[in-house]
Amino acid sequence: NAGVTQTPKFQVLKTGQSMTLQCAQDMNHNSMYWYRQDPGMGLRLIYYSASEGTTDKGEVPNGYNVSRLNKREFSLRLESAAPSQTSVYFCASRPGGEHEQYFGPGTRLTVT
Amino acid sequence: AQSVTQLGSHVSVSEGALVLLRCNYSSSVPPYLFWYVQYPNQGLQLLLKYTSAATLVKGINGFEAEFKKSETSFHLTKPSAHMSDAAEYFCAVSYRSNDYKLSFGAGTTVTVRA
Repeated sequence: NAGVTQTPKFQVLKTGQSMTLQCAQDMNHNSMYWYRQDPGMGLRLIYYSASEGTTDKGEVPNGYNVSRLNKREFSLRLESAAPSQTSVYFCASRPGGEHEQYFGPGTRLTVT
Repeated sequence: AQSVTQLGSHVSVSEGALVLLRCNYSSSVPPYLFWYVQYPNQGLQLLLKYTSAATLVKGINGFEAEFKKSETSFHLTKPSAHMSDAAEYFCAVSYRSNDYKLSFGAGTTVTVRA
């Protein structure tokens, strides 16, 4: 099992460009999550999907959109990147009936 | 609002010394509590979790944590630090009523001195 995979690992964007961060899990988990990690702030929830076909906003959703393409895949889109979106982005998944989340390796995004 | 506070953004310990990382949560409802570890340039790995069973929880790599409801705390300890324990540690809380979304503390970076 690969667990939770994320692509790309690194990305540099110019202000105003768009991109999609990809996340996939092969553990048949129902719930998936997107977080951003900034120094001194821990991880903050951007969006989550409790099950296939549903998505909900988290703590910091502005400037982002998500798509739960199927049970395996949950993508995060930046329509018009801003320097404030420079961060490390983590995807996570959680099986139904369990409490802990399983994290991917992260995508380091820099917006200049 | 539910929140998690980690006391101390940096902790430095000698190899072989006690590691103590503090975590307090603020909530009136029973939480689920977690400690995650992040090694440089990696994702988060679960160290241990409290889910309303035993209050003293043992995790991987010799870590343990004790849930104290009266103190709303979930401090992480390891009796003897090893060089490989150098990492960032995050305390997190979730609630069934909140779709098990995780709220994280700001993190504590541990350095281990030889």
